[in-house]
Amino acid sequence: GQSLEQPSEVTAVEGAIVQINCTYQTSGFYGLSWYQQHDGGAPTFLSYNALDGLEETGRFSSFLSRSDSYGYLLLQELQMKDSASYFCAVEGGYNKLIFGAGTRLAVHP
Amino acid sequence: DGGITQSPKYLFRKEGQNVTLSCEQNLNHDAMYWYRQDPGQGLRLIYYSQIVNDFQKGDIAEGYSVSREKKESFPLTVTSAQKNPTAFYLCASTVGQTGNTEAFFGQGTRLTVV
Repeated sequence: GQSLEQPSEVTAVEGAIVQINCTYQTSGFYGLSWYQQHDGGAPTFLSYNALDGLEETGRFSSFLSRSDSYGYLLLQELQMKDSASYFCAVEGGYNKLIFGAGTRLAVHP
Repeated sequence: DGGITQSPKYLFRKEGQNVTLSCEQNLNHDAMYWYRQDPGQGLRLIYYSQIVNDFQKGDIAEGYSVSREKKESFPLTVTSAQKNPTAFYLCASTVGQTGNTEAFFGQGTRLTVV
């Protein structure tokens, strides 16, 4: 089967750093991606890792360890607008794209 | 502007009726996807299509059907066999090349059974 595990909720204060972890178990793996979704909206793409290591895009960074079937999204200098749900997603074989259950991030002043 | 358009935004269905949700993209993407999202939950894959005239079942395909007769279009039919269809439905597309899976989403259709 295929499964992705991520924490259901994370809370942080403005200006802080938060890390959202994702572990996966899939048949076939080509990459791990991250999406942000505000309430009532559509998910938007944040980052993608196909190889081990850290990818940095502004305040957001994403890490992948293929040997550990593990990745994380790192959000720095948190802002109130970062309050949203964050999903990890695995690209498996035949373009199959599977999402985790999501982590709800609440940023407080 | 390129993007994905889903319609309608809100849809009400009587029990026992079939309804079809529209998804159209002008991104020239090969792969298209349908997801279901329940309140406070993640995205569960219903069906996906890698190319025209081909599609595969996702994790929760029962009670749903799709077609992919054109590259731009991937409509989803929610049949009467789907016992709990009230949910937020999201359509997405990707280029379709392995290693390039930035998914673009439509704004969703909120389906309610009345």
